[in-house]
Amino acid sequence: DIQMTQSPSSLSASVGDRVTITCRASQSISSDLNWYQQKPGKAPKLLIYGASSLQSGVPSRFSGSGSGTDFTLTISSLQPEDFATYYCQQSYSIPPAYSFGQGTKLEIK
Amino acid sequence: QVQLVESGGGVVQPGGSLRLSCAASGFSFSTYGMHWVRQAPGKGLEWVAFIWFDGNNKFYADSVKGRFTISKDNSRNTVFLQMHSLKAEDTAVYYCAKDVDTGDLDHWGQGTLVTVSS
Repeated sequence: DIQMTQSPSSLSASVGDRVTITCRASQSISSDLNWYQQKPGKAPKLLIYGASSLQSGVPSRFSGSGSGTDFTLTISSLQPEDFATYYCQQSYSIPPAYSFGQGTKLEIK
Repeated sequence: QVQLVESGGGVVQPGGSLRLSCAASGFSFSTYGMHWVRQAPGKGLEWVAFIWFDGNNKFYADSVKGRFTISKDNSRNTVFLQMHSLKAEDTAVYYCAKDVDTGDLDHWGQGTLVTVSS
């Protein structure tokens, strides 16, 4: 099974900051990596698919990069509505076994 | 717009069974695969199961294999998760999600809570 590890597990930042979250896969997953945002009591929301493609309707301050085993999610200028938990997820496994990272909780400093 | 509405959650004793439903609308249900993903209280997301658009192929996490069955009724625009031999560690909010490109989950329901407790 492919293990996904995110860092950091939690992060404090201020409005306007640039923030980067890292996700590492236990084996190469090409670019089959997605990022989700989840707010308390709500369902996750797809932000980035295929490592770097922005989902429709997602603000351009969100961006993703990476391939192989190392990936990053960057928020260029934090907005108040961005404080949430972020998860990476690999969609590479065949047969499907789509594992998530443990999450990164982004909090207001 | 895409809408996914889960139902069927509740409290069940260890060893019991429960069937979850997810009613879909706003898209061509018969042409998309569907997932179930769960989240234990205060924990992260865990992928549970995936079914192809036509229902002909199904895949499960090791933690539920042999106990859970995913199915899809394209005539009723509904995906199901039949759960047997439930354990305390199955306690979670269960989300259904639409698959856009084999593993990319672009729309999610609001979730239904399953509590396994005596």
